[in-house]
Amino acid sequence: DIQMTQSPSSVSASVGDRVTITCRASQDISSWLAWYQQEPGKAPKLLIYTASSLQSGVPSRFSGSGSGTDFTLTISSLQPEDFATYYCQQAKSFPLTFGGGTKVEIK
Amino acid sequence: EVQLVESGGGLVQRGGSLRLSCAASGFTFTNYWLTWVRQAPGKGLEWVANIKEDGSERYYVDSVKGRFTISRDNAKNSLYLQMNSLRAEDTAVYYCTQYSSTWGWIDPWGQGTLVTVSS
Repeated sequence: DIQMTQSPSSVSASVGDRVTITCRASQDISSWLAWYQQEPGKAPKLLIYTASSLQSGVPSRFSGSGSGTDFTLTISSLQPEDFATYYCQQAKSFPLTFGGGTKVEIK
Repeated sequence: EVQLVESGGGLVQRGGSLRLSCAASGFTFTNYWLTWVRQAPGKGLEWVANIKEDGSERYYVDSVKGRFTISRDNAKNSLYLQMNSLRAEDTAVYYCTQYSSTWGWIDPWGQGTLVTVSS
């Protein structure tokens, strides 16, 4: 199975800050990676797919990069509605696996 | 608008069974793989199972193999998860989702249904 490791597990930031979250796969997954946002008490929502493609309707302050085993989700200018938990997910093979999550908190 | 509405969750004793249902609307049901994902209280996301458009392929996480069965009724636009021999560690919110076999994403998601296994 492909293991996904996210870091950091939590980050404190202020509105307007640039935030970067990393995700590492235990083996080469090419660009088969998705990112999700989960607000408290809500279902997750797709942000990015195939590592860098922005899902329709997602603000352009979100961006993804990387390939192979190392990936990054960047929020260029943090907004109040962005305080949430973010997960990466490998889509290379079954079983699909998620990273442990990164909670973005208000500083 | 795509809608996925889960039902069937509740409190069950360890070793018991439960059947989750997901009613789908707003899209051509037979064109999509479907997925169950769960989230234990205060924990992260865990993929549980996938089923192909026609039901001919099914995949499971190791921890539920032999105990859970994913199925679908394309005539009723419904997805199911039969859960047997339930354990305390199966306690979670279970989400029904679409799965893109082209892009590998899981989206959109239902609102989830809570399954609590008491020991």
